[in-house]
Amino acid sequence: SQQGEEDPQALSIQEGENATMNCSYKTSINNLQWYRQNSGRGLVHLILIRSNEREKHSGRLRVTLDTSKKSSSLLITASRAADTASYFCANMDSNYQLIWGAGTKLIIKP
Amino acid sequence: DTGVSQDPRHKITKRGQNVTFRCDPISEHNRLYWYRQTLGQGPEFLTYFQNEAQLEKSRLLSDRFSAERPKGSFSTLEIQRTEQGDSAMYLCASSGGTATNEKLFFGSGTQLSVL
Repeated sequence: SQQGEEDPQALSIQEGENATMNCSYKTSINNLQWYRQNSGRGLVHLILIRSNEREKHSGRLRVTLDTSKKSSSLLITASRAADTASYFCANMDSNYQLIWGAGTKLIIKP
Repeated sequence: DTGVSQDPRHKITKRGQNVTFRCDPISEHNRLYWYRQTLGQGPEFLTYFQNEAQLEKSRLLSDRFSAERPKGSFSTLEIQRTEQGDSAMYLCASSGGTATNEKLFFGSGTQLSVL
């Protein structure tokens, strides 16, 4: 299957701690995107990292990409209650189709 | 609001009935996608349009599902003879225009419950 594998499936941490989630694919990574989904809502694009990039930052988000391992990590620093959501990685193929992971459910405890 | 809008937000129907959902993409976007999502899973691709042309349809999509985008603007997704297995969140997304095709903008989805 081309579906991405995400790890962990669920993560519960204290507010202020850092959260790290990982994503891997069996196929090569072209451009890798991360999205956030709040419960019962649509997905919101967070960050995109291209196959020729190794690391990218956006605010409290840091994304790394290892094309040799076909994997990516999303780090959220200094977590807040509002970060509670599901996080999905998605690998875009040459036809602009996204191949999704199953998501990591993140819970931030106050 | 210039985001992607979907209507209705929730739909409850009885098995065997037909349902239709509507999606209004961001106006300048030429690509429009439909996805289905069940609890605890990532979105599952159903179909996508470039302008009014339906360019790809998932082989998982049975012939009970049909989508249209008649004027290259809004789109409808119809499910005929609904089954309980059709219960899911149906998500619409759009991309393109002055932004790239790479970043998708999603609507809030239509939650379908088939009783």
